Amino acid sequence: NAGVTQTPKFRILKIGQSMTLQCTQDMNHNYMYWYRQDPGMGLKLIYYSVGAGITDKGEVPNGYNVSRSTTEDFPLRLELAAPSQTSVYFCASSYSWSLSGANVLTFGAGSRLTVL
Amino acid sequence: AQKVTQAQTEISVVEKEDVTLDCVYETRDTTYYLFWYKQPPSGELVFLIRRNSFDEQNEISGRYSWNFQKSTSSFNFTITASQVVDSAVYFCALSEAQGGSYIPTFGRGTSLIVHP
Repeated sequence: NAGVTQTPKFRILKIGQSMTLQCTQDMNHNYMYWYRQDPGMGLKLIYYSVGAGITDKGEVPNGYNVSRSTTEDFPLRLELAAPSQTSVYFCASSYSWSLSGANVLTFGAGSRLTVL
Repeated sequence: AQKVTQAQTEISVVEKEDVTLDCVYETRDTTYYLFWYKQPPSGELVFLIRRNSFDEQNEISGRYSWNFQKSTSSFNFTITASQVVDSAVYFCALSEAQGGSYIPTFGRGTSLIVHP
């Protein structure tokens, strides 16, 4: 099993550019998440999804969009990139809370994004 | 106010010392989950332990032990006889019901440096 796969691992953007961070999981998890990690600030939730076709905002959704057309994929779109979006982005997935082993997140390797 | 507080930003110890990482959480729910994750220098987050709010038994796994105390809203993590490989950032997380979905909230992390 590949687990959670994120691409790209590194990217440099210019201010105002747009891009999509890709995330795919092969564990048939119904929950998927996007977090950003800034130095000393922990992980902040951007968006999450509890199943295909269902997404919801997290703590810091501004400047981002997501979609969930399949169980496997949960791309994160950055529109009009700003320096404040320079961060490391982590995609994660889990089973729902109602199942055994629920709520344990499996993380991708992260995507380091720099906006200049 | 933070829901998960990890007051120790960085801890530095010498190999074989015992070290305790503190985690204090805040919730009004009676059912919730607590977690610890490890982020080694490679960057990928790895799950260590999950506890539910009804199980206050301490847990030991090899050199790792966890002390969950509802009376003080704490879920502390102790590494006995620390090793250089324990050097990492450790995150405590809380999952509360949010409209039926238990979405994890992370603390800011504690960076543990173990010197040889």
